[in-house]
Amino acid sequence: DSGVTQTPKHLITATGQRVTLRCSPRSGDLSVYWYQQSLDQGLQFLIQYYNGEERAKGNILERFSAQQFPDLHSELNLSSLELGDSALYFCASSVQSSGVNTGELFFGEGSRLTVL
Amino acid sequence: AQTVTQSQPEMSVQEAETVTLSCTYDTSENNYYLFWYKQPPSRQMILVIRQEAYKQQNATENRFSVNFQKAAKSFSLKISDSQLGDTAMYFCAFMRRGGLTFGKGTHLIIQP
Repeated sequence: DSGVTQTPKHLITATGQRVTLRCSPRSGDLSVYWYQQSLDQGLQFLIQYYNGEERAKGNILERFSAQQFPDLHSELNLSSLELGDSALYFCASSVQSSGVNTGELFFGEGSRLTVL
Repeated sequence: AQTVTQSQPEMSVQEAETVTLSCTYDTSENNYYLFWYKQPPSRQMILVIRQEAYKQQNATENRFSVNFQKAAKSFSLKISDSQLGDTAMYFCAFMRRGGLTFGKGTHLIIQP
């Protein structure tokens, strides 16, 4: 058990819909990362938050957004869903004081999104 | 941009054998961190080993060790005395500011 909790574990929805994925980081971890894992694109970094502020942005679509709340949990919002958004979405957390993260990322078990 | 290349989509070895998974990366940075993550059928991403680029000594964690060649930008993972539980996808990853950049992965199968 990594200590990172993601909900829901599985989600099936239709094209055009909107979903929210939730992540609770390990106790004490200030940084949260979101990744998308699909068969054709592999593991793609989406976005990072540090202590409530956006820290880095990767290959995140404009239809996707995220935020980190004062209690440090994070939500990833996916809207106007398309078939190609079907993937496993991982959240990871780490302790990061500032600058470059040098430590281990602790991953949740992922949320499996299926868009029909 | 950083890229990470794993040239072996799948490998299969017998239990107790030694296997080496290859990884090359491209960066213009001098200080960075490299990782190998394991993803078993449970989907959980598990850190196997970490290497800091400024350290010349290769990292070792029990049966897992790396061969880090900074000039060649190569970072291979050696698994000694392989076990059935080592069957998994293995991802090489590069970290600097922001998130990890992963390779496409190598599916390692340990045969009994």
